[in-house]
Amino acid sequence: DVKVTQSSRYLVKRTGEKVFLECVQDMDHENMFWYRQDPGLGLRLIYFSYDVKMKEKGDIPEGYSVSREKKERFSLILESASTNQTSMYLCASRPGQGGQPQHFGDGTRLSIL
Amino acid sequence: RKEVEQDPGPFNVPEGATVAFNCTYSNSASQSFFWYRQDCRKEPKLLMSVYSSGNEDGRFTAQLNRASQYISLLIRDSKLSDSATYLCVVRGEGNTGNQFYFGTGTSLTVIP
Repeated sequence: DVKVTQSSRYLVKRTGEKVFLECVQDMDHENMFWYRQDPGLGLRLIYFSYDVKMKEKGDIPEGYSVSREKKERFSLILESASTNQTSMYLCASRPGQGGQPQHFGDGTRLSIL
Repeated sequence: RKEVEQDPGPFNVPEGATVAFNCTYSNSASQSFFWYRQDCRKEPKLLMSVYSSGNEDGRFTAQLNRASQYISLLIRDSKLSDSATYLCVVRGEGNTGNQFYFGTGTSLTVIP
C-alpha cells in the first residue's frame, strides 16, 4: 500500500509567520503534488515536482514555494502566512510513468490567525 | 470553461437505490480518468480508474464516452457507507501531462 504522510493534521499559525508543511512518501514515486482545497472551489494545484530538485508552478503558486531535495520528501513553504491561506492542504504522489493515479496524504488543516 | 465539471448535487437516495453521476471534461486529448471518494474532512481516496471499455468493481461501474467527453459512475444497491463526495479526475496530456484536473465533487447521501 502506498503511504503518503503529512507532518501535521492540524496547524495554527499567525499572520506573517513562515510556515513549513512536510510530505513524505514511501513508494519511490517520481511525481509529488501540493494542493489546497476550499469549499466550493475543489482542489487547486499549488506546485508539483516531477523529480528531485525539479518543480513546476501549478494554478495558484503565489505566496508559496516548494523544496524537493530528496525523492521521498516534498515541502510546501508559506513565505509569509496570510489569513487567505487558511485552508486544507493535501499532498499527493504517483509514479512518473503512464496513467497511474495519485495517492493522497491525510491532509493538513491550516488556520492562519 | 472549467477543465472538469460535475453536478454538485446533493443526491439523496434511499438504501438499495441505484444512482449515477456524470462528469464532463474539456480537453479531448485527455487519456487518464479516475473517480475518487472523499469523506467529510478526510483526504480523497481512489475509488477506481476509468478504462476505455468501461469497468466494474463490485457495485460500482465506470464508463467513458470519448465522443461526448464525459465519464460516469454508477452505484448499485446503495449502502449507508456510500455517503460521501465523489470527485471526477482527469489527467492532462501533452505539456500538462503531469497535471490532474479535479471536479468540485458530487455529494451523495444514502438515507436509511
